[in-house]
Amino acid sequence: GAVVSQHPSRVICKSGTSVKIECRSLDFQATTMFWYRQFPKQSLMLMATSNEGSKATYEQGVEKDKFLINHASLTLSTLTVTSAHPEDSSFYICSARDLASGDTGELFFGEGSRLTVL
Amino acid sequence: GQQVMQIPQYQHVQEGEDFTTYCNSSTTLSNIQWYKQRPGGHPVFLIQLVKSGEVKKQKRLTFQFGEAKKNSSLHITATQTTDVGTYFCAGSSSNDYKLSFGAGTTVTVRA
Repeated sequence: GAVVSQHPSRVICKSGTSVKIECRSLDFQATTMFWYRQFPKQSLMLMATSNEGSKATYEQGVEKDKFLINHASLTLSTLTVTSAHPEDSSFYICSARDLASGDTGELFFGEGSRLTVL
Repeated sequence: GQQVMQIPQYQHVQEGEDFTTYCNSSTTLSNIQWYKQRPGGHPVFLIQLVKSGEVKKQKRLTFQFGEAKKNSSLHITATQTTDVGTYFCAGSSSNDYKLSFGAGTTVTVRA
């Protein structure tokens, strides 16, 4: 099946620094990728929709200047957590939908990135 | 957007028993998908339901989409230890391609 690669899988950073997380679709193209945040034993909270070649669409309550999203190609989206604080510590997961499956196909998830901000 | 509610949040099952997790939406869905996330892993697609009243089976798993396309269920028979994990339903409406995820049902199995 389709594979989405996400890295780093784990990152520890100091408060105030920025961290970039990459999400790549390895064997398909995706005009849209989704970024989620997942707290322990909780559901997936959609943060933003990454759109290839255009600005990301952020969900209500998510600061766009805090979580910078770039979708420069059909296979790569990045999420940068800027000026990270301990409350940003979480599990971040990306997902992508194969361009060929349209708007309602299954989502392929990356392995997730666990961010710890000291 | 639509809200998707899922119950129960936790399901402790004796190995060999059956259980069901339920998903309800505040609005009519165009499709509903189910995902499984193993402990420490990422969600993996299980199935998609599109038609009203649709029923699909995958071995011991039976998925159902309600007639009104506002609810869905996942029924697992003869639970095994390999069924451990969190099962999420996720739905989208016809005018919104984004998937809204339910809270998930975390399943543990007693051997």
